[in-house]
Amino acid sequence: KQEVTQIPAALSVPEGENLVLNCSFTDSAIYNLQWFRQDPGKGLTSLLLIQSSQREQTSGRLNASLDKSSGRSTLYIAASQPGDSATYLCAALGSGSARQLTFGSGTQLTVLP
Amino acid sequence: DGGITQSPKYLFRKEGQNVTLSCEQNLNHDAMYWYRQDPGQGLRLIYYSQIVNDFQKGDIAEGYSVSREKKESFPLTVTSAQKNPTAFYLCASRGQGDRSGNTIYFGEGSWLTVV
Repeated sequence: KQEVTQIPAALSVPEGENLVLNCSFTDSAIYNLQWFRQDPGKGLTSLLLIQSSQREQTSGRLNASLDKSSGRSTLYIAASQPGDSATYLCAALGSGSARQLTFGSGTQLTVLP
Repeated sequence: DGGITQSPKYLFRKEGQNVTLSCEQNLNHDAMYWYRQDPGQGLRLIYYSQIVNDFQKGDIAEGYSVSREKKESFPLTVTSAQKNPTAFYLCASRGQGDRSGNTIYFGEGSWLTVV
């Protein structure tokens, strides 16, 4: 059974810092890995999706990498802003016929002005 | 606009009642999912469906039921057998072979509180 872990559970940084959020998964047989942002009381917004054949994806100040062999993905946020404060979740989509999506428990990010 | 619509946003349930949460998508997606989120925790899978008239139990299906009679709709019923139903419920859908490569899209969620 796939297990996804996110470290740290919470992170507080001053505005302007570059930061890295970590996501690890136990089963490397994934179809893709997706990073989401969740604001309090809201649904999830997709940030980046990395296919299993890809190494990284970039969108603006965000860069996500994937290393299937080591079971790791990282989300890099450059020049953090207070508006980046949210919970960030990663999710691995299994490559089996069931196509189950397994989530990590998230990293709660606070960017201080 | 294309997307996923969940309703109601807030719902209160009395002890012993069944309640149904609606999830509708106009993205023409085959796969749909229901997740439960408790405060400060990640998402746990309740049920998922990969095609009309078919669905599978997730990790915490006890006390819940679903149906998938139409591609666009995947309602979740929280039955009286679910002893601790107060939570935030999220519906999601996923396309197959789309340009974005199986991206998951979420609704805005439904808050269920037992009173």
